Amino acid sequence: ILNVEQSPQSLHVQEGDSTNFTCSFPSSNFYALHWYRWETAKSPEALFVMTLNGDEKKKGRISATLNTKEGYSYLYIKGSQPEDSATYLCANYYGGSQGNLIFGKGTKLSVKP
Amino acid sequence: DSGVTQTPKHLITATGQRVTLRCSPRSGDLSVYWYQQSLDQGLQFLIQYYNGEERAKGNILERFSAQQFPDLHSELNLSSLELGDSALYFCASSPPRRGNAHTQYFGPGTRLTVL
Repeated sequence: ILNVEQSPQSLHVQEGDSTNFTCSFPSSNFYALHWYRWETAKSPEALFVMTLNGDEKKKGRISATLNTKEGYSYLYIKGSQPEDSATYLCANYYGGSQGNLIFGKGTKLSVKP
Repeated sequence: DSGVTQTPKHLITATGQRVTLRCSPRSGDLSVYWYQQSLDQGLQFLIQYYNGEERAKGNILERFSAQQFPDLHSELNLSSLELGDSALYFCASSPPRRGNAHTQYFGPGTRLTVL
């Protein structure tokens, strides 16, 4: 019921390619959707928190959209660079004021120079 | 650097043993969360503390326990360790609640290996 699904599991692109991946989550009782970037040997780093249907957030070449009615979010990376190589996690915040995050397993992105 | 610190960075121990993992949240953050990340699994939420009190429990085994102290640092105690407990354990903290944001800031993790 609370599963967060991410696809694809992994992605290999060439430097300069643009790419996108998907996060699916239960659309009922939606509160917020988080995106994190997790580089190897580092800790997950917050990218975006999205709360409203139709939200679009952008940070540099990375952007995200949110559809709460159908329960999905897309993360886009424009002109991928090798330093974008990381695992991108999404997490569904549930449970109201005392809720917590349910994480997907992530999409592992590798960008070849 | 998120401002969340965790010690130790690596821990190697034997089955049946007990270990304690330590976390210090970012300055000003009242909430501390513990997560377990095993091979091929996503981040699994274990437990949350808010200002010293347990706030929410996830998939935490009875062999595991945690607490948050008055100075807001937290410890995760893992006992009767099994091979399957080998994992990366993350601590995260978040500031006092602001709407639905609840951004969590992660520490560097403790890699536990049970032999």
